[in-house]
Amino acid sequence: GAVVSQHPSRVICKSGTSVKIECRSLDFQATTMFWYRQFPKQSLMLMATSNEGSKATYEQGVEKDKFLINHASLTLSTLTVTSAHPEDSSFYICSARALSDRDANEKLFFGSGTQLSVL
Amino acid sequence: LAKTTQPISMDSYEGQEVNITCSHNNIATNDYITWYQQFPSQGPRFIIQGYKTKVTNEVASLFIPADRKSSTLSLPRVSLSDTAVYYCLVGDPDNYGQNFVFGPGTRLSVLP
Repeated sequence: GAVVSQHPSRVICKSGTSVKIECRSLDFQATTMFWYRQFPKQSLMLMATSNEGSKATYEQGVEKDKFLINHASLTLSTLTVTSAHPEDSSFYICSARALSDRDANEKLFFGSGTQLSVL
Repeated sequence: LAKTTQPISMDSYEGQEVNITCSHNNIATNDYITWYQQFPSQGPRFIIQGYKTKVTNEVASLFIPADRKSSTLSLPRVSLSDTAVYYCLVGDPDNYGQNFVFGPGTRLSVLP
């Protein structure tokens, strides 16, 4: 299947710093990528939809100035958590939607996630 | 958005067949049913997808009745490594992502 690479897999930072997470589709083009956050023992919650070349669409309750999303190319989207605080500590996951039906069934591919811990 | 309902948790023993049923009463005509598996601290992994009747691949089978208001993921002869959370999602493939709402999933525990 297609591969979505997400980096870093784990990051620990001090409160007040900014953290950037990258999501790359390695072998396909993705006009649309998605960012989720997941707290322990809970399900994935969609944060925002990232479209190549345009502004991201944020879900209700997600601060767009806090979570900056950039989708500058068809293979890369980044999520920057600005001025991170302990309550931002979570597992962040990206996914990318294949531009074409490259696999018979699967069109949405997920990254391996980033565990953010803010001290 | 088609809402899904699954059991919160299930226990099984190694070597048994596990069936996880998902209800999606308001599934739309263009919607497909997709199942994902998630291990701790990893992203979801695609298992299987179907529209109607039965779909089988190397890891699972998916049974969908004619009314499509439910579906059953069947895992043959589970092993300890199948312990994970399983999510059932319903959506239009042309809009995958935007219309994918992750429910709580089913936490499967496979015991020795």
